[in-house]
Amino acid sequence: EDQVTQSPEALRLQEGESSSLNCSYTVSGLRGLFWYRQDPGKGPEFLFTLYSAGEEKEKERLKATLTKKESFLHITAPKPEDSATYLCAGEDQGGKLIFGQGTELSVKP
Amino acid sequence: DSGVTQTPKHLITATGQRVTLRCSPRSGDLSVYWYQQSLDQGLQFLIQYYNGEERAKGNILERFSAQQFPDLHSELNLSSLELGDSALYFCASSVGRGRETQYFGPGTRLLVL
Repeated sequence: EDQVTQSPEALRLQEGESSSLNCSYTVSGLRGLFWYRQDPGKGPEFLFTLYSAGEEKEKERLKATLTKKESFLHITAPKPEDSATYLCAGEDQGGKLIFGQGTELSVKP
Repeated sequence: DSGVTQTPKHLITATGQRVTLRCSPRSGDLSVYWYQQSLDQGLQFLIQYYNGEERAKGNILERFSAQQFPDLHSELNLSSLELGDSALYFCASSVGRGRETQYFGPGTRLLVL
């Protein structure tokens, strides 16, 4: 069965303390790996799409990487406004997104 | 703002009732996806429509149905509602059939009492 698992479930950082979020996937025929940010009560906001192992994408303090088994979201020198839940999703051959449970990130000033 | 609109924002109803959620995709997007998000299940894919045709089905209950109209807006119908159907329902849209970014709407919060 296709599955996406994110760790840790929650992460508390001090402002400026860099860290990484993990997304492990077993999605047969993975067509793409997506990262979203979700603020409480709002819809997920697109961050990155990765299509092949070795691919990396960056946006401000965030960098996403992909291997054949997992993806990482690296956060460099985070700020309080980076606090949110970060969701990872794999797209299967049918175009369906399979989401992980998310990592709730809290950045304290 | 993703460009995807959903109405209503909030809905409170009773068990056994039927409700309709509406979604308008981004201009130019042909695919519409419906997702359910609850605290215990996370984000679950329900169904996808592409240019009016059903394209993929996920964990959608038989009590739920959806359609996409010629103007590309979509409706999700939930019937014989149960307490466990209380959740956030999101609509997303994309340009084509897949392997592209899906942009999410703000969601409809459904509470079944």
